[in-house]
Amino acid sequence: EDQVTQSPEALRLQEGESSSLNCSYTVSGLRGLFWYRQDPGKGPEFLFTLYSAGEEKEKERLKATLTKKESFLHITAPKPEDSATYLCAVQDPSNTGNQFYFGTGTSLTVIP
Amino acid sequence: EAQVTQNPRYLITVTGKKLTVTCSQNMNHEYMSWYRQDPGLGLRQIYYSMNVEVTDKGDVPEGYKVSRKEKRNFPLILESPSPNQTSLYFCANLNGETGELFFGEGSRLTVL
Repeated sequence: EDQVTQSPEALRLQEGESSSLNCSYTVSGLRGLFWYRQDPGKGPEFLFTLYSAGEEKEKERLKATLTKKESFLHITAPKPEDSATYLCAVQDPSNTGNQFYFGTGTSLTVIP
Repeated sequence: EAQVTQNPRYLITVTGKKLTVTCSQNMNHEYMSWYRQDPGLGLRQIYYSMNVEVTDKGDVPEGYKVSRKEKRNFPLILESPSPNQTSLYFCANLNGETGELFFGEGSRLTVL
């Protein structure tokens, strides 16, 4: 069973058209939920860490929120440079907490 | 500048020819890991290392070996590569305080 599911797989937005990306997870006792941005041919780049339901983090046009079963990445008034694949990951809730499980990502295209 | 450096970045090889992908970090982080990224499957963890001489399997360790003889380096070894190991590989280290994984630029491997 997939630990992390992201939707939609792909999203095309007009510049300035706000939207949200979804990440749902099935692990219990979440140790941490992470958002990353990945540009073509590059390694993922860290955006946010969320630890508990109700927590929110913001960075420029991005805002990440967390509930008990899912997280949203809200993109407000996006620009073409926001085009990328956005990845969600959860940290293994076992005692070691050393494994991370990634979703397959949402590919965002922002059209000028 | 904080870096995770992988080499080679691109490699085409043939079935059965042993190869090593090197990974080095300049951030003095204890935790390092290897991932492979495949279309539709996302990032999957191959191996991770908590510290020198301590390694453990991730979700897809079959056909791979690793070693951690010093904190700085964490090479990925394919003893007898097969075509199903054609993939994009990422090395990452972990900031234990923030939970942030810091990724290298990736190594694209093709096994013919």
